[in-house]
Amino acid sequence: SQTIHQWPATLVQPVGSPLSLECTVEGTSNPNLYWYRQAAGRGLQLLFYSVGIGQISSEVPQNLSASRPQDRQFILSSKKLLLSDSGFYLCAWSRTANEKLFFGSGTQLSVL
Amino acid sequence: DQQVKQNSPSLSVQEGRISILNCDYTNSMFDYFLWYKKYPAEGPTFLISISSIKDKNEDGRFTVFLNKSAKHLSLHIVPSQPGDSAVYFCAASARYDSGYALNFGKGTSLLVTP
Repeated sequence: SQTIHQWPATLVQPVGSPLSLECTVEGTSNPNLYWYRQAAGRGLQLLFYSVGIGQISSEVPQNLSASRPQDRQFILSSKKLLLSDSGFYLCAWSRTANEKLFFGSGTQLSVL
Repeated sequence: DQQVKQNSPSLSVQEGRISILNCDYTNSMFDYFLWYKKYPAEGPTFLISISSIKDKNEDGRFTVFLNKSAKHLSLHIVPSQPGDSAVYFCAASARYDSGYALNFGKGTSLLVTP
């Protein structure tokens, strides 16, 4: 069966510090991978998606970047965090585009 | 622009009664609709889906209704249980569109009281 792992579960970082969140999927190959953010009082906002290694599409201009160094690994990064980057970050995968998503357990990021 | 809208941010229902969560969409190309349930500090979990070729799909206590002409869908939970208290997200996609991801609403927080 397929599983998705996301870590860390919580993170407190000072403004201006770097960020690296990692997500891995097991039990499937060539998944579509996604990073979402749920900010307080808002819905699920798609940040990045990837249909293959090295292929990243960004949905919104922002202070973050994503990379997919391996087929089942997706990384969310920032060189310098802003206060507005605080939120609940979710990694997800799907078999194909526009299909059902399977979410990781999320990372609660607090930028202070 | 929000293509999937959940206009009720919260809903409170008594245990044993029916919960009805509503969702509207604007993109007539959407042909696949899903509901997700999310507990605090956890990732959303898939609940139920419906294709545009159907107008109803049922799974145990959960039923999703689709009204394509009104661009409206709803999730019915009968009977509601305290464990159903969570945020529910509606999502939609156009499977043959050039987009690659589901479009989510902002969620409705359901509270089922004993």
